[in-house]
Amino acid sequence: AQSVTQPDIHITVSEGASLELRCNYSYGATPYLFWYVQSPGQGLQLLLKYFSGDTLVQGIKGFEAEFKRSQSSFNLRKPSVHWSDAAEYFCAVGLRNNDMRFGAGTRLTVKP
Amino acid sequence: GAVVSQHPSRVICKSGTSVKIECRSLDFQATTMFWYRQFPKQSLMLMATSNEGSKATYEQGVEKDKFLINHASLTLSTLTVTSAHPEDSSFYICSARSGLAAQETQYFGPGTRLLVL
Repeated sequence: AQSVTQPDIHITVSEGASLELRCNYSYGATPYLFWYVQSPGQGLQLLLKYFSGDTLVQGIKGFEAEFKRSQSSFNLRKPSVHWSDAAEYFCAVGLRNNDMRFGAGTRLTVKP
Repeated sequence: GAVVSQHPSRVICKSGTSVKIECRSLDFQATTMFWYRQFPKQSLMLMATSNEGSKATYEQGVEKDKFLINHASLTLSTLTVTSAHPEDSSFYICSARSGLAAQETQYFGPGTRLLVL
């Protein structure tokens, strides 16, 4: 079945530590890939996106993501987390029929 | 960057009444707008897609007569929840896209929290 999977529901990291949020997709063709962040009670803000080309994508706020076709993954990384990064993170795929499908989200808690 | 607004940000209504939520693209023309619903601690579920000047395309399981969507202009789409019931209480988020292509970025509004008593 076609799906977007974020295996980790909740992750806690210490401020200054590195972060990796996992995302796997299951679609026939390589979809367009996105990472969004949502603060409590807010809409979504685009962090980065991948359509083609260089598989390592740089985004805003120091985030990057790497597309690995062999693993059907698009993991989000940040080398040093700040307290303000605490939020809900959503991986999404844009399908060629114009739909966008979201993963279940990963809630990030940052410890001081 | 592109800004999308929603109004109201939160609304409380009585069961049986109708509620209209507005979604506006403030600094770009939105060829396509999307309406999502988000339950607490869950992901966004696409409800419908609307292209300016045409009827909305609803996802399976979404009642088109209950969730009326109008996309009358390139900067405004409205979602009307008709005869709202407590189970319609949710966080409704719209997004807007300037082009028709799937790789175009969707810009999201801040969401509207609906509570039906």
